[in-house]
Amino acid sequence: GENVEQHPSTLSVQEGDSAVIKCTYSDSASNYFPWYKQELGKRPQLIIDIRSNVGEKKDQRIAVTLNKTAKHFSLHITETQPEDSAVYFCAASRRGGGNKLTFGTGTQLKVEL
Amino acid sequence: GAVVSQHPSWVICKSGTSVKIECRSLDFQATTMFWYRQFPKQSLMLMATSNEGSKATYEQGVEKDKFLINHASLTLSTLTVTSAHPEDSSFYICSAKSGTGPNQPQHFGDGTRLSIL
Repeated sequence: GENVEQHPSTLSVQEGDSAVIKCTYSDSASNYFPWYKQELGKRPQLIIDIRSNVGEKKDQRIAVTLNKTAKHFSLHITETQPEDSAVYFCAASRRGGGNKLTFGTGTQLKVEL
Repeated sequence: GAVVSQHPSWVICKSGTSVKIECRSLDFQATTMFWYRQFPKQSLMLMATSNEGSKATYEQGVEKDKFLINHASLTLSTLTVTSAHPEDSSFYICSAKSGTGPNQPQHFGDGTRLSIL
């Protein structure tokens, strides 16, 4: 089955700096890669997703890049703010996989003032 | 749009009790819903896929007789933890897939924190 690895497990940045979280996946048939933000005790919220037919997608301060050959994808947050502090999860889903998501282990992002 | 409501948000009960958790898609129809379990500071682990009008598909290692899933309508799926024991204490979260076609976004409920005494 699919295996998704996520790094780093914790990330601390200064407000205004950029943050990058990286994930790798094992199943070459995976073609959908969402990113979720989860604040403590709350629901995961979809912040951005990318499909395998594109290499990059951007939404304001958030961008995701995908390298299908290397089977890795990354989340980029620019101009970080304290409210960006949360746990971020990457996930992957394969075609024909019943829309099941396999999640990474999560990254605790802390944006310090 | 794409709001998922989960109820209850918190349950504390005695060992041996059965607990039912509801997951509703409020503003869209969801033929497929998913149930996850999340331990503190860990990732989301898929327990089962709930399909409207048919039997749920359970992940390896998840006891179907322990975790009963019913998806009787396009907007409601329920998870019943039967004869719950302390090791079943966890954060249970549902999600619903919006839109038709493959690989559509999943939207999550607020989760249910289950504590078995």
